[in-house]
Amino acid sequence: NAGVTQTPKFQVLKTGQSMTLQCAQDMNHNSMYWYRQDPGMGLRLIYYSASEGTTDKGEVPNGYNVSRLNKREFSLRLESAAPSQTSVYFCASRTGTSGDYEQYFGPGTRLTVT
Amino acid sequence: GENVEQHPSTLSVQEGDSAVIKCTYSDSASNYFPWYKQELGKGPQLIIDIRSNVGEKKDQRIAVTLNKTAKHFSLHITETQPEDSAVYFCAARGLRDSSYKLIFGSGTRLLVRP
Repeated sequence: NAGVTQTPKFQVLKTGQSMTLQCAQDMNHNSMYWYRQDPGMGLRLIYYSASEGTTDKGEVPNGYNVSRLNKREFSLRLESAAPSQTSVYFCASRTGTSGDYEQYFGPGTRLTVT
Repeated sequence: GENVEQHPSTLSVQEGDSAVIKCTYSDSASNYFPWYKQELGKGPQLIIDIRSNVGEKKDQRIAVTLNKTAKHFSLHITETQPEDSAVYFCAARGLRDSSYKLIFGSGTRLLVRP
């Protein structure tokens, strides 16, 4: 049981390049989340998927798109990377059961855009 | 919008001393307050949480207290050990909708000096 896995661990992009961050969970969770973490700002929600087939915007969705590929996988895409997207990205999942609030986090992807 | 403020941003204590981290939240309807520990290079991990119908919760050396009237909650770590050194995040469950989104504080870097 690996929990939440993310690939890649590190990535360097040039401004304007695109890439997809991958996330998968093996806990049979219904809900999945993408956050970014910047120094002094905690974690901010980019997008989330309450259940397979649905996605919604969080606090900071501009410049990102997501795909809930199936119940296990939730990807985050940067179509045209900008230096402001330099950050550490975390994926998280939750059972989706009413009243069960705990989110389980992956190890993160450190992205640098030059 | 919903906001969670966390203080202090850094905290240095001597091994064996206690550490206290405080958070305030803006949404009086929030009902779930988790604390996450993040070690270097890893994703956040839940260490304790509290719901709005409880005033205090303990788990060995850690405890969380909640004051709903004042809209603040605190993490208490007693008998600190060097392995407690990490970044700690508080969060509150926003209740604008039923998405179970968490609003995070900006984090506290705790250093336990041997």
